[in-house]
Amino acid sequence: AQRVTQPEKLLSVFKGAPVELKCNYSYSGSPELFWYVQYSRQRLQLLLRHISRESIKGFTADLNKGETSFHLKKPFAQEEDSAMYYCALSGSNFGNEKLTFGTGTRLTIIP
Amino acid sequence: GAVVSQHPSRVICKSGTSVKIECRSLDFQATTMFWYRQFPKQSLMLMATSNEGSKATYEQGVEKDKFLINHASLTLSTLTVTSAHPEDSSFYICSARLAGRANTGELFFGEGSRLTVL
Repeated sequence: AQRVTQPEKLLSVFKGAPVELKCNYSYSGSPELFWYVQYSRQRLQLLLRHISRESIKGFTADLNKGETSFHLKKPFAQEEDSAMYYCALSGSNFGNEKLTFGTGTRLTIIP
Repeated sequence: GAVVSQHPSRVICKSGTSVKIECRSLDFQATTMFWYRQFPKQSLMLMATSNEGSKATYEQGVEKDKFLINHASLTLSTLTVTSAHPEDSSFYICSARLAGRANTGELFFGEGSRLTVL
């Protein structure tokens, strides 16, 4: 069974401060990890995926297989980062495998 | 990017009636679509995987006869909530991946459909 855990339902950070949204996973095989974001009144959209190792909107996430974590980080928070963030996991054959989501973290950036 | 559209965005129905929700991939073909359900302030729960031209694969605990899924073409999947009851009230979201070599694993989501059963 695959499981994704996001321990923080709510996170408030001051503008300009660093942000870290935690994500831990449980999966017996080789996982593919993603972060999805949902801004107010918008649909879910992909923020970044671990295989591409890219930084999107200043966010990065490193897959730590030893700690089974995929925490999302940004050094300096901006007000437009306020949104709902979901960590998600798929098997390595992601073309045909389902995506399991964590419970999400609502990030609020305080001006 | 690829666009997924759902219709209707909101629907209110009486208890005992059936409701159909459509999910369309507007500018790409999707051999596989996924239907999720989201309760207020909770995560997305995968209900079923919709496969074009074949039967849907349902997650454990999801009633197949209650939530009928049809994926008749590469751009359309439908979810029919049969004999709806108030406990079926929820936000239903569909998503799809690009087919074939264009598939990067990314899921493209519809805007969701809010069902309210009176």
